Amino acid sequence: GQSLEQPSEVTAVEGAIVQINCTYQTSGFYGLSWYQQHDGGAPTFLSYNGLDGLEETGRFSSFLSRSDSYGYLLLQELQMKDSASYFCSIYMDSNYQLIWGAGTKLIIKP
Amino acid sequence: NAGVTQTPKFRVLKTGQSMTLLCAQDMNHEYMYWYRQDPGMGLRLIHYSVGEGTTAKGEVPDGYNVSRLKKQNFLLGLESAAPSQTSVYFCASGDPTYEQYFGPGTRLTVT
Repeated sequence: GQSLEQPSEVTAVEGAIVQINCTYQTSGFYGLSWYQQHDGGAPTFLSYNGLDGLEETGRFSSFLSRSDSYGYLLLQELQMKDSASYFCSIYMDSNYQLIWGAGTKLIIKP
Repeated sequence: NAGVTQTPKFRVLKTGQSMTLLCAQDMNHEYMYWYRQDPGMGLRLIHYSVGEGTTAKGEVPDGYNVSRLKKQNFLLGLESAAPSQTSVYFCASGDPTYEQYFGPGTRLTVT
């Protein structure tokens, strides 16, 4: 079926780099989006990959490889405010459904 | 611009009661969505709309109805609330292939 798999939790140290993976078992989608959600807040858009390769937005980068069926979000120079949950999402071009991963909780330690 | 707004922010219902959640956006987006998010879980799409007067089912539509009478508004209705519908409800608007803008959410408890 259509699903996106993410690790449930990732722990990293302030100032370090962390990668959050998103693997999928489907084909035929427009692109991969990433969202950030702080506890008690609403999701906010971070990055989008329509084509294979790396997209960079400040400290955040996102990567997509359709041939390997995975993407990732890379966060550099981690700050305490980056502690949040991160979700990947795709839009299917076959049935126009939006599919979301279950989210990865990023815990940052000083 | 206010972006996406939702009313109410909090609500407690008894089993069997009905209610309507209102979502409004001022970005002239064609697409609008209703999601639910249970604790520690991802977003699940309930219903969506691709334009004024249109609605379509998402992943978990049972027990909910929607209407899009005006482009800027998207209403979510619960006709007979059940405890399983206790959740946080998010409305969003925007391009499904790229970026969605989310409202602040409505925290609903059904007792």
